[in-house]
Amino acid sequence: AQRVTQPEKLLSVFKGAPVELKCNYSYSGSPELFWYVQYSRQRLQLLLRHISRESIKGFTADLNKGETSFHLKKPFAQEEDSAMYYCAHGGEFSGGYNKLIFGAGTRLAVHP
Amino acid sequence: EAGVAQSPRYKIIEKRQSVAFWCNPISGHATLYWYQQILGQGPKLLIQFQNNGVVDDSQLPKDRFSAERLKGVDSTLKIQPAKLEDSAVYLCASSSQGGTIDTQYFGPGTRLTVL
Repeated sequence: AQRVTQPEKLLSVFKGAPVELKCNYSYSGSPELFWYVQYSRQRLQLLLRHISRESIKGFTADLNKGETSFHLKKPFAQEEDSAMYYCAHGGEFSGGYNKLIFGAGTRLAVHP
Repeated sequence: EAGVAQSPRYKIIEKRQSVAFWCNPISGHATLYWYQQILGQGPKLLIQFQNNGVVDDSQLPKDRFSAERLKGVDSTLKIQPAKLEDSAVYLCASSSQGGTIDTQYFGPGTRLTVL
């Protein structure tokens, strides 16, 4: 079965330090991968998707098919990056439509 | 544009009672999703609608959960009777297209506590 694994429940760093949130997936086909973020008292929202190859709020994520990983990185963390981050995979088809499978999430805490 | 609306925001019930949640998606969005998010876990898809038709309800506990999307707009999710393990946040999301992955826009969620 398709699975998304985020091994860390909590990642705690100081402001200005590099950040890497890990995500591994299991899927034999062409993956569609996303990072969603939930800031305190806000809704879950899309941060970035691998197909766009874009940088959002300084975050990037590279798909590594060999390691089946899609880690989220930022060179210098800011306090406003503190949030819950969810990796999601959309490659599984059901009823003819893609469905998102979410990981359990990693809470990023950036300290001053 | 207005976001996805959900009500109520919080609900506390006793086990074996019934409860219903309402969702109003972003105007014009064809696809509507209901997710269950148990504490400490990521959202899990319960049911997906394309317009007013169900395209995936494989993880919906159909003996107690039901959902409908009348006229392809608003949707309701019902639990009858509720169990303790149904305590979770129920998220509604919508997206503009069906058939391909596109951005899902989430509502604020309904936090259900079953005592």
